Amino acid sequence: GAVVSQHPSWVICKSGTSVKIECRSLDFQATTMFWYRQFPKQSLMLMATSNEGSKATYEQGVEKDKFLINHASLTLSTLTVTSAHPEDSSFYICSVTGGTSGSTDTQYFGPGTRLTVL
Amino acid sequence: QQPVQSPQAVILREGEDAVINCSSSKALYSVHWYRQKHGEAPVFLMILLKGGEQKGHDKISASFNEKKQQSSLYLTASQLSYSGTYFCGTVQGGGKLIFGQGTELSVKP
Repeated sequence: GAVVSQHPSWVICKSGTSVKIECRSLDFQATTMFWYRQFPKQSLMLMATSNEGSKATYEQGVEKDKFLINHASLTLSTLTVTSAHPEDSSFYICSVTGGTSGSTDTQYFGPGTRLTVL
Repeated sequence: QQPVQSPQAVILREGEDAVINCSSSKALYSVHWYRQKHGEAPVFLMILLKGGEQKGHDKISASFNEKKQQSSLYLTASQLSYSGTYFCGTVQGGGKLIFGQGTELSVKP
């Protein structure tokens, strides 16, 4: 399977500041990465699909101006939470897909980043 | 459309069996199963790709009924390490994996 890292593992910030989370695919080139958010005791909710070299595709209800995604290389996608507020506190997880075609692709998840906004 | 899992939670004694179900109102082309421990990322268990397919590893197995648009995960002779939240996922357009709401499994000694 693919090895995915995220940095940082956790971050605490003040309300109004911006936070950048990195997702790296360590052992293969990922043209597509996904970003999820998970609130306590809830499921993982897909936020956006990050495509290398093009704009991210956001799910309905996710503010693209607030959650900026950049996928500048085949091994790195970044999620920036701009002007973070306490309601943005959550567990953010990225994943990469291990292949190139449809539903047969296994998704491998990074270890997640826990964001706490004070 | 989010798949629906049942039950929402289950408590077992070590050695007991459990079944977790996942169903969808949309046609299913594949079902992915993951387990997540508290505070950690989900870990891939298995994918079922074809109707009628059954797959397993150790004492965890799954089946996929394409016609009924559902999949079941079977945990036999449960161990303490099986505790966690189990998610099924279905792939939608663009390779997006959409998760069910999860089933919390607690295995007690």
